[in-house]
Amino acid sequence: RKEVEQDPGPFNVPEGATVAFNCTYSNSASQSFFWYRQDCRKEPKLLMSVYSSGNEDGRFTAQLNRASQYISLLIRDSKLSDSATYLCVVKPHGNQFYFGTGTSLTVIP
Amino acid sequence: SAVISQKPSRDICQRGTSLTIQCQVDSQVTMMFWYRQQPGQSLTLIATANQGSEATYESGFVIDKFPISRPNLTFSTLTVSNMSPEDSSIYLCSAWDGSSYEQYFGPGTRLTVT
Repeated sequence: RKEVEQDPGPFNVPEGATVAFNCTYSNSASQSFFWYRQDCRKEPKLLMSVYSSGNEDGRFTAQLNRASQYISLLIRDSKLSDSATYLCVVKPHGNQFYFGTGTSLTVIP
Repeated sequence: SAVISQKPSRDICQRGTSLTIQCQVDSQVTMMFWYRQQPGQSLTLIATANQGSEATYESGFVIDKFPISRPNLTFSTLTVSNMSPEDSSIYLCSAWDGSSYEQYFGPGTRLTVT
């Protein structure tokens, strides 16, 4: 079983739509969780960390469900500039980071 | 946050040759990692670069093929040895700021082996 699993999509949504991505992880002892964004032919960049209580940054909301071992990312009022691949990242104890395969989002005018 | 530079940014190499990729971080960081990303795929960790000691390799990657150095807390190199077309990929260096647990990436090196 993979450490981190994501629906690869692609998700094609109109501007202004709300879209949600989920990611499941296998190691129940995982401590830290992140969403990264990767634009085409660019390196991944941290979008936001995911905290146990959930957290919001503008149009983006991240949530963690430890009981079901998944994290989610909600994007409200989608913009064309949100088009990218979103990578779920999980960090258990130690130095290892596990990356999901990424979910591709295209926001359509 | 850490700013990471890599060079070269891209290269086209012949089969059987070797290429060394350099990674420079603008501040001292706890950990440095090397990843590979095939087109349309996610990141695969090659190894953790340990300062002053041998790198820790992931399953499927060996030191003879991917020797790594990390002489100090801000610099690392990855060599892709005896290259074949299957090594064509993007190689990414990353740094982990242990105080915040955030990982930062370099811009990547796009390698094509002919």
